[in-house]
Amino acid sequence: SQKIEQNSEALNIQEGKTATLTCNYTNYSPAYLQWYRQDPGRGPVFLLLIRENEKEKRKERLKVTFDTTLKQSLFHITASQPADSATYLCALEWSGGYNKLIFGAGTRLAVHP
Amino acid sequence: DADVTQTPRNRITKTGKRIMLECSQTKGHDRMYWYRQDPGLGLRLIYYSFDVKDINKGEISDGYSVSRQAQAKFSLSLESAIPNQTALYFCATGTSGSFADTQYFGPGTRLTVL
Repeated sequence: SQKIEQNSEALNIQEGKTATLTCNYTNYSPAYLQWYRQDPGRGPVFLLLIRENEKEKRKERLKVTFDTTLKQSLFHITASQPADSATYLCALEWSGGYNKLIFGAGTRLAVHP
Repeated sequence: DADVTQTPRNRITKTGKRIMLECSQTKGHDRMYWYRQDPGLGLRLIYYSFDVKDINKGEISDGYSVSRQAQAKFSLSLESAIPNQTALYFCATGTSGSFADTQYFGPGTRLTVL
């Protein structure tokens, strides 16, 4: 069955450091991978999308990589700030499943001053 | 005003009761989705609709039904609520097309079934 794995343990880092979150998947031929941010009590908010033929995508302090051989995406936040503290979800859309996403459970990030 | 709204935001009900959760959007999107979120399990798709006349079951549709009253409105019903339907429910919208697009989520409804 299709499965997405994100580290269930919270990631704690110091302000100014780079946070790196991992998303691993199995049994997919994903066409696209998306990252969302979710704050407590709120709905997820889209951050970045990367296509299967792209290795890397950047947006301001955010960077996403996509390795279809390793079946893994890495999500980086550089120069992290306490305001970056949230849960980050990855979501895959598989070929033929247009606009239907499979979400990971998310990893909570805590950035300490 | 929020682009995707959900009502109610919180609801406590008893086993066996019928419950309706409502979602409205002002984004003009064709596609609408209902998800539930449980701790440690992530978001799971219940139902989705690609237009007013198109309704599809998602991963976990048993015990749920939906109605797409208009392009802007998509309701989720629990015909006879049971305790394991206690969860956070999200409505989302997305644009049409044959390529990936982002989804826009509402603020969620926290449902507790006693």
